[in-house]
This record gives sequence, structure tokens and C-alpha cells, in this order.
Amino acid sequence: GAVVSQHPSWVICKSGTSVKIECRSLDFQATTMFWYRQFPKQSLMLMATSNEGSKATYEQGVEKDKFLINHASLTLSTLTVTSAHPEDSSFYICSATPDGAQPQHFGDGTRLSIL
Amino acid sequence: QQQVKQSPQSLIVQKGGISIINCAYENTAFDYFPWYQQFPGKGPALLIAIRPDVSEKKEGRFTISFNKSAKQFSLHIMDSQPGDSATYFCAASRGPAGNKLTFGGGTRVLVKP
Repeated sequence: GAVVSQHPSWVICKSGTSVKIECRSLDFQATTMFWYRQFPKQSLMLMATSNEGSKATYEQGVEKDKFLINHASLTLSTLTVTSAHPEDSSFYICSATPDGAQPQHFGDGTRLSIL
Repeated sequence: QQQVKQSPQSLIVQKGGISIINCAYENTAFDYFPWYQQFPGKGPALLIAIRPDVSEKKEGRFTISFNKSAKQFSLHIMDSQPGDSATYFCAASRGPAGNKLTFGGGTRVLVKP
């Protein structure tokens, strides 16, 4: 149980385009979802916390206008990287919790490469 | 400010040996301490977690030792196997903060056959 699915697993796109990443909880309702960013050989850095039906809470230094998060249902959150540039290339990972409590269950991540 | 410090950064252990990874935290409000295992190209998977009301928790070959007064906790992997070769992350969270996890820097473990 507690499966979190991310799509796509890998995306390559040109600089200036927008990319949407989906995070779904397959067998539970996720009141809270988290979005992380991970650079090669580094740790996970929390970008934002999203609660179903409300605006996401962004961590300090994360541009909310660049990284748009929508959590419109209890099983789906999306991260849209707007006007992506090469420096946005990274591994994006989401996690979800059934009722806001631990543990967090992670998706398998999305490898984003901006050319 | 790094609130959870993890060491060592990398570790090589022979098959059958014990892998030990240490973490230290600063925020005394943390009340949940999980360990995650991550393979290349995959998301982290929860291994084992502990709360500060116990000093040790064991699940199979994995044991967490927790020292509240020292603000430290560690992961012991007994009888290490080549399949355990992965990156391990400790983390910490506190309930009132929306259960956000603060991760340590990670330890790359290589188990040699």
C-alpha cells in the first residue's frame, strides 16, 4: 500500500518551454503532498508543501511564479516548471501523506533535462 | 543552516559486515526520525523510523539507535549485502511544522562482495 506515482519519469525539452509533472497517490487520499528537488549526488531539498484545495507553501528561495503547484484533488498534485532553462534541470521528486502525518511516501521522481 | 548533519559521506563495507551511519540534529522540537534508502534514478524509500520516546528500534537487519540527550541517531545495517549498496538519508521532522522533513546530506554505501 501507499503507492505514489510520478509522470513522466523523464522529460527533455527546449529552453523556454513549460513542463508539467504529475504526482498521484494510487491507493490513498493525500491531504498533503510535498515537492523536492535533488541535484546529482546531493540531498533532497524541499521546494513546497501543497494541501488539497489551498495554495502551496513555498520554501524560502523558491520562485512561486516559476514553479507552479496545483493540488486540486486528494490524489493528484502537479508541478509546472514555467519557462524552463538549463539551470532548472534536476531530479524532481514528490511525496504524499494520507492525513498529513508521517511517514511520507515518495514517488520515483522525474528527471528533467532542459536543452 | 543545516539542521541535520550526516556522516560519513561515503562508506565501503565488505559483504557480511556492519554499516554504521550517524546523524546529528539541532532542533529539539524534532519528534520523528526516519531513514530512507535511495537507489540511482529512484525516489527514496522508507526503511525504518523512530520517535524520541524509545532509544532503539530494530526491523530485520536494520536498527536505529537514538540518543536524545546527545541529539544524535544512527542507522546500523547488519550482515550488509551487495543489494544494500545505495544512498541512505536520515531525516527529521516536527509535527506542528506540517510534517516537513529535513534531510541529512546522505551517505553512499558500497557493499563489496
